[in-house]
Amino acid sequence: EIVLTQSPGTLSLSPGERATLSCRASQNINLAWYQQKPGQAPRLLIYGASNRATGIPDRFSGSGSGTDFTLTISRLEPEDFAVYYCQHYGDTPPWTFGQGTKVESK
Amino acid sequence: QVHLQQSGPGLVKPSQTLSLTCAISGDSVSSNNAAWNWIRQSPSRGLEWLGRTYYRSKWYTDSALSVKSRITVNADTSKNQFSLQLSSVTPEDTAVYFCARGGRGTTVSLFNSWGQGTLVTVSS
Repeated sequence: EIVLTQSPGTLSLSPGERATLSCRASQNINLAWYQQKPGQAPRLLIYGASNRATGIPDRFSGSGSGTDFTLTISRLEPEDFAVYYCQHYGDTPPWTFGQGTKVESK
Repeated sequence: QVHLQQSGPGLVKPSQTLSLTCAISGDSVSSNNAAWNWIRQSPSRGLEWLGRTYYRSKWYTDSALSVKSRITVNADTSKNQFSLQLSSVTPEDTAVYFCARGGRGTTVSLFNSWGQGTLVTVSS
């Protein structure tokens, strides 16, 4: 089973600041990013490491390949404070998620 | 736009069977371009993919090794919905359960539509 390790666990930032989240995989993978707000289901943000899903603002960007990936939020909006998960995806299960990075307001 | 609506009890007794249903609108459970998944979330286990069903000229199912002996995922084409049954539950199965839609091929496990989530507590 592929293990995904996200860092940091928590990121304390102010609106307008840049957020940089990391996800490291135990082997080469395809990677997606999700956002989850309290009481809601996760929402797909990024797939293929760098492709934004439908309706996702361009302040969200993803980069990386192989085992090391980054999600960047260029300028934090109030609605961006949430938990972010990376996920390994492909055509063969099982699929795993990272443990999450919480982006909180400083 | 695909909408998934979950239903089912929020409290299950230990050793009994957890049963949830996910009703689909805006797509077909029999679509050759979709897969229908169950995912759960708990503080101890995080987000955990449990299993799926999908149709590609015939029905297929897959499940995670952690629940393989206890899980059943079925589709009901007459109601355009799919279901989860998890038998012999213990308190460790307490979690928020989500249904989710995946695509086809490499996107089969990109979960682009989710149900609202159901908190299931296993307790006597």
